[in-house]
Amino acid sequence: GQNIDQPTEMTATEGAIVQINCTYQTSGFNGLFWYQQHAGEAPTFLSYNVLDGLEEKGRFSSFLSRSKGYSYLLLKELQMKDSASYLCAVRDNYGQNFVFGPGTRLSVLP
Amino acid sequence: DSGVTQTPKHLITATGQRVTLRCSPRSGDLSVYWYQQSLDQGLQFLIQYYNGEERAKGNILERFSAQQFPDLHSELNLSSLELGDSALYFCASSLGTSGRALHEQYFGPGTRLTVT
Repeated sequence: GQNIDQPTEMTATEGAIVQINCTYQTSGFNGLFWYQQHAGEAPTFLSYNVLDGLEEKGRFSSFLSRSKGYSYLLLKELQMKDSASYLCAVRDNYGQNFVFGPGTRLSVLP
Repeated sequence: DSGVTQTPKHLITATGQRVTLRCSPRSGDLSVYWYQQSLDQGLQFLIQYYNGEERAKGNILERFSAQQFPDLHSELNLSSLELGDSALYFCASSLGTSGRALHEQYFGPGTRLTVT
């Protein structure tokens, strides 16, 4: 079956670093990606990983281990505007289906 | 502003009815995706079109159908509507079909459908 797990909620302090984990079990693998979604708004693309390792993009980095079915999103120098839901999603390589996790709601406190 | 437009913004209709949601992708993007987001089920992928042809199918009900026209805009048709179809429907577009060009999807603002 298809399953993606993420923590439901996380809280961190402005200026800190937070790591949001994602584990997945899917029918094949054709890439993992992260989206940010502010309440009431559309998701915004953050990162894409298809090979093992770390992809860095400014304050955001994403890591993938295909053998472990594991990824994390690392947010550095947290800002209040980073308070949002973070969605982990995997595309399988059979039906080319996108499977989304439930999202992690991050609250950044002053 | 992602460059993806969706109309209408809000739609209220009754059970059993049929509605059409419209999406215009970003200029130059060939792929269009449709998603449904409800409170209890999160974001669900429905279907993808690439340059007018169906490319991938997700959890789309048989009562739902979509198409992409030669000018690349897309429509999602929802029929025999049920209360449970009330949700936010997003359209997204991307440049291509593989690698980063596929996954860097740009989402429209969504259409909020309420079925009463």
